[in-house]
Amino acid sequence: NAGVMQNPRHLVRRRGQEARLRCSPMKGHSHVYWYRQLPEEGLKFMVYLQKENIIDESGMPKERFSAEFPKEGPSILRIQQVVRGDSAAYFCASSATSDAGEQYFGPGTRLTVT
Amino acid sequence: GDSVTQMEGPVTLSEEAFLTINCTYTATGYPSLFWYVQYPGEGLQLLLKATKADDKGSNKGFEATYRKETTSFHLEKGSVQVSDSAVYFCALNRHTGNQFYFGTGTSLTVIP
Repeated sequence: NAGVMQNPRHLVRRRGQEARLRCSPMKGHSHVYWYRQLPEEGLKFMVYLQKENIIDESGMPKERFSAEFPKEGPSILRIQQVVRGDSAAYFCASSATSDAGEQYFGPGTRLTVT
Repeated sequence: GDSVTQMEGPVTLSEEAFLTINCTYTATGYPSLFWYVQYPGEGLQLLLKATKADDKGSNKGFEATYRKETTSFHLEKGSVQVSDSAVYFCALNRHTGNQFYFGTGTSLTVIP
């Protein structure tokens, strides 16, 4: 039973480019969460999605960031016109239900903006 | 708002030493509390959890007790091993919205 998968594991972008981060939840999980981990900090919640719906995006920056979880395929976190401050590790987690409980985390995508 | 405050690191211990990593929280209602561990280059793995007051979570020799009176969830292990070297995150989930609130992490290094 494969866990949460994220790709790419490492992504380098120049300032102004777009970054696309992908997350495939665990089999049977329809709830996906994105977190950002800045250097020397804990994970900060960004967005919570179910299939085709954004449930909570209270942690998403207002500009340049968007997320989707289509009916088919992985969840995508998209960052437009990246800046150096976007350099971080982005983690995806998934769960089977919306009840509080375990979220299973992927290995993360480390984004470096040069 | 909800938050988690974790003991500052880094922590360096000798093998077989006793470990305590302090964690306190602020939340409305009755959150569930968690400890996650992150090994170098990997994602977070659930270490243990407790869902109500006075519950004790335990796994791999680690323990933490949900103390509502002190709003704490301190992580302990009686005898650490080199393989326990990692970053440990305390977290809460308040059920509503299902998002986690994480502490800043405590880096633990165990030396032989």
